[in-house]
Amino acid sequence: DAGITQSPRHKVTETGTPVTLRCHQTENHRYMYWYRQDPGHGLRLIHYSYGVKDTDKGEVSDGYSVSRSKTEDFLLTLESATSSQTSVYFCAISETGLGYGYTFGSGTRLTVV
Amino acid sequence: DAKTTQPNSMESNEEEPVHLPCNHSTISGTDYIHWYRQLPSQGPEYVIHGLTSNVNNRMASLAIAEDRKSSTLILHRATLRDAAVYYCILGHSLQGGSEKLVFGKGTKLTVNP
Repeated sequence: DAGITQSPRHKVTETGTPVTLRCHQTENHRYMYWYRQDPGHGLRLIHYSYGVKDTDKGEVSDGYSVSRSKTEDFLLTLESATSSQTSVYFCAISETGLGYGYTFGSGTRLTVV
Repeated sequence: DAKTTQPNSMESNEEEPVHLPCNHSTISGTDYIHWYRQLPSQGPEYVIHGLTSNVNNRMASLAIAEDRKSSTLILHRATLRDAAVYYCILGHSLQGGSEKLVFGKGTKLTVNP
């Protein structure tokens, strides 16, 4: 979507390797989020950020870490990829947080073999 | 977290109104009600959101029950481009003014020509 880019769009990686997904925004929005989407579960929150260097865990954060060293980039790292982390990952941004709309990226499809 | 319940699927005819229902009987007083839609291989797209009062925008209307235990998304004249999975979502407040979107399983809307 305009103003938010996820990279890579697709990735296949081996079990045990570290993987970093990038979310880049040009909207200067304060809030950024990482979700994963799996069949039968809908989207679930992994980590979120409410400012540069301000991050916190979501409901499915085990095995993931994040970093936000500048407003425009929010990185999601799988420290040691497992097959259960095969999923589609979406980044979302919001200008003002609670009670406002969100813009989602196009997603990264990650396969761990 | 409070959950939402939606029909798995609905059908509509082009140019007719569509009413998509959602139950959220365990909603808390500060939860926002969001609606997003998603096409295959794309990220969710914002439709509308509200807290207590009915809301209108160029895409749709949101009717919220007085007790907030249910809501209805209204598409006034369905087009073929409105065919998608529609998610009724509750937004829970998080640290720093952030918000967690709790997705349900969604309603797959089919629009017939």
